[in-house]
Amino acid sequence: EAQVTQNPRYLITVTGKKLTVTCSQNMNHEYMSWYRQDPGLGLRQIYYSMNVEVTDKGDVPEGYKVSRKEKRNFPLILESPSPNQTSLYFCASSGWVRGETQYFGPGTRLLVL
Amino acid sequence: DQQVKQNSPSLSVQEGRISILNCDYTNSMFDYFLWYKKYPAEGPTFLISISSIKDKNEDGRFTVFLNKSAKHLSLHIVPSQPGDSAVYFCAASEGPSGSRLTFGEGTQLTVNP
Repeated sequence: EAQVTQNPRYLITVTGKKLTVTCSQNMNHEYMSWYRQDPGLGLRQIYYSMNVEVTDKGDVPEGYKVSRKEKRNFPLILESPSPNQTSLYFCASSGWVRGETQYFGPGTRLLVL
Repeated sequence: DQQVKQNSPSLSVQEGRISILNCDYTNSMFDYFLWYKKYPAEGPTFLISISSIKDKNEDGRFTVFLNKSAKHLSLHIVPSQPGDSAVYFCAASEGPSGSRLTFGEGTQLTVNP
């Protein structure tokens, strides 16, 4: 089954404690991306990657890091989480075809105390 | 600066009637538009898309209309069904990087039996 998986699905942490949210896709997609969803703001792109070792900032990259060492994996790293990073996070992937639909993971709900 | 706006946070319609969800954009470089549907505790899923060279695209009960001069698009659902109750996101992309999407805030559609 074609899918994008994220772990963990729910996470409660404290300010300053480094955490990683994993994302993996089994569709051999070149393009992967991270979004955060906040009330009244919709989905905002954090970082994206067009292929292995190629990453770039999205609209709200501050406080986040990513890496793309393998095609299937695109982890999101919060080196020093802060309460304003409390949000719902989605990973997505797609092929590199104009307008090809993005497939989203189920989401990770993060609470930073 | 919200380049894609969905001005109605919520919409309630009766089963069998038409649902019309609206979306406005400001970036004239956007040339591909998509609608995603999101159920609680799930990631967004692709619904329908339209290229800027068209003004209408239909898929079953779902039709998207694009008015480029007004920078406006709308999603029509006819007839509406209770299973259509979800949050609907409008998204847009520009240029060759078709996978980089800018999302609106979302509209919560409720279809009452």
